[in-house]
Amino acid sequence: NAGVTQTPKFQVLKTGQSMTLQCAQDMNHNSMYWYRQDPGMGLRLIYYSASEGTTDKGEVPNGYNVSRLNKREFSLRLESAAPSQTSVYFCASSAGRNNQPQHFGDGTRLSIL
Amino acid sequence: AQSVTQPDIHITVSEGASLELRCNYSYGATPYLFWYVQSPGQGLQLLLKYFSGDTLVQGIKGFEAEFKRSQSSFNLRKPSVHWSDAAEYFCAVGPYNTDKLIFGTGTRLQVFP
Repeated sequence: NAGVTQTPKFQVLKTGQSMTLQCAQDMNHNSMYWYRQDPGMGLRLIYYSASEGTTDKGEVPNGYNVSRLNKREFSLRLESAAPSQTSVYFCASSAGRNNQPQHFGDGTRLSIL
Repeated sequence: AQSVTQPDIHITVSEGASLELRCNYSYGATPYLFWYVQSPGQGLQLLLKYFSGDTLVQGIKGFEAEFKRSQSSFNLRKPSVHWSDAAEYFCAVGPYNTDKLIFGTGTRLQVFP
């Protein structure tokens, strides 16, 4: 009963390095999401995918790229990491339209020095 | 534009006391409303949701929330708080027939014995 699995759980990068955060869900959900969580700002949507092969920008997409590899997997890539991208990143999934609840992974804590 | 406001950043209560966390939303029609809880180091877990019908919604862990259209509010309540309820609580609104959520900035609950 894994739900949404994120890897890695922790990562430290140097400015300018690249990295891909991985997310997989086993609930056969159509929609997947990437958020970042910063103190006092709640969760902000970076990108989301309504179905396999489609992606769309959220509120804060700059500096990120995503890939919906298949129905299960949705990855987030930082091409050239910046200190402003230090955050906790959450992946979530939902069944799709009609406002089905989102299910969250445990997060990736990313520090960029 | 849709938005969610959680006016209280931090609330402290004694174990056994009652609790009410405030949430106000801005949306032109009747929204879909959610409350999530986040324990330290964890992802978000759904507490309850309101889609339509009875304005008093029951959730997990003894929580309930009441939708008040006239006040644009969806406050979370619990009659008797347990130490394990210490966490951060997020209110979210989902515009009709979309698969995205807008989150409030969260309320951190501290419980004293």
